Amino acid sequence: KAGVTQTPRYLIKTRGQQVTLSCSPISGHRSVSWYQQTPGQGLQFLFEYFSETQRNKGNFPGRFSGRQFSNSRSEMNVSTLELGDSALYLCASSGAFSGTGYEQYFGPGTRLTVT
Amino acid sequence: AQSVTQLGSHVSVSEGALVLLRCNYSSSVPPYLFWYVQYPNQGLQLLLKYTTGATLVKGINGFEAEFKKSETSFHLTKPSAHMSDAAEYFCAVSEGNSGYSTLTFGKGTMLLVSP
Repeated sequence: KAGVTQTPRYLIKTRGQQVTLSCSPISGHRSVSWYQQTPGQGLQFLFEYFSETQRNKGNFPGRFSGRQFSNSRSEMNVSTLELGDSALYLCASSGAFSGTGYEQYFGPGTRLTVT
Repeated sequence: AQSVTQLGSHVSVSEGALVLLRCNYSSSVPPYLFWYVQYPNQGLQLLLKYTTGATLVKGINGFEAEFKKSETSFHLTKPSAHMSDAAEYFCAVSEGNSGYSTLTFGKGTMLLVSP
């Protein structure tokens, strides 16, 4: 099976702009989660989508939003970019619950730089 | 709320030496536990996952983790370090009864391997 793919891999934006990141999960996986990784805060959960519905949300401002399509592909959007939004954004997909919980498989990430 | 503590932001070992990366978790219910590895400019790769009832869990690349409920620990070990093991390692938990796949990560431990 192909892994999780994320596009674009690198992005440079200016403060005040908005950005959309895309994630294609592993075939058959219906859950997609997004995480932000920064040197200072580490890995922080943004939100999770399952069957086109947001199932869980982290503690991020409303500028961060997402959605999931019927084919399980997901996008996240950040509006009014701030310098502090510079980070590696990771997408993870998971399949059905198993005896070891929900195993999440990560994409390579999108490196966003805000100038 | 659950939390994960990884002792030591950096661990240095010589090639061939034992690797020990520490992880302690705090959770109100038995969680699901994972170790991930991240190589530079890449996403997270699942190393291993805790299986209910097991005390020693084997993963990829010769890594193992020992689960100690009494100590709420899930330390990662490898008998003999290889240069290719140099990377950042993350311990993660997801709450057992939440129904969500959301992962809470530790701050990460950078493993440095010297010849």
